[in-house]
Amino acid sequence: ETGVTQSPTHLIKTRGQQVTLRCSSQSGHNTVSWYQQALGQGPQFIFQYYREEENGRGNFPPRFSGLQFPNYSSELNVNALELDDSALYLCASSLGSGGVQETQYFGPGTRLLVL
Amino acid sequence: AQSVTQLDSQVPVFEEAPVELRCNYSSSVSVYLFWYVQYPNQGLQLLLKYLSGSTLVKGINGFEAEFNKSQTSFHLRKPSVHISDTAEYFCAVSRDTGRRALTFGSGTRLQVQP
Repeated sequence: ETGVTQSPTHLIKTRGQQVTLRCSSQSGHNTVSWYQQALGQGPQFIFQYYREEENGRGNFPPRFSGLQFPNYSSELNVNALELDDSALYLCASSLGSGGVQETQYFGPGTRLLVL
Repeated sequence: AQSVTQLDSQVPVFEEAPVELRCNYSSSVSVYLFWYVQYPNQGLQLLLKYLSGSTLVKGINGFEAEFNKSQTSFHLRKPSVHISDTAEYFCAVSRDTGRRALTFGSGTRLQVQP
């Protein structure tokens, strides 16, 4: 059984560019959540997808968008990158309808640096 | 809205000593509570969670936590730590209904010294 994987591991972009981060859920999991972890901070919830539909969103602007595919893998897209978008982006998958009592399994993250 | 305060940013401790990592939360509704651990260059791993029932929760790697509703706390404890416990520990909370998201504290760095 493979765990949650994310790609790429590291990424450097410049301000104003767009970026796409990818996540493969743990086998059989149908729910994926994305979090942003700034340096020295705890993760902050961006949004969650359940069966290809957005199922909850945190306090992030619309330039943060996502997709979930039929195989339950997921993408996080960020447009018009800002310096403050520099962070570790974590993906977490779980099995079920996304209720928080279901254990979320986290990937190793993608570290994004915006210059 | 709910919030989480982890009172100590760093906790140094000697190997085989006991440790307590403190977590307080604020919420106007009932919550679920979690502790996660993050090893260097890795994602978060669930240590334990409190959903309901017994207020003393046992987790993996010998950790346990106690939910105290009157003090709105969920402190993490281990009676004897190992070098391998060196990591960042995050307390998290979520409402038991509605928005399906975890709110994390800012983390506590546990540094176990030989």
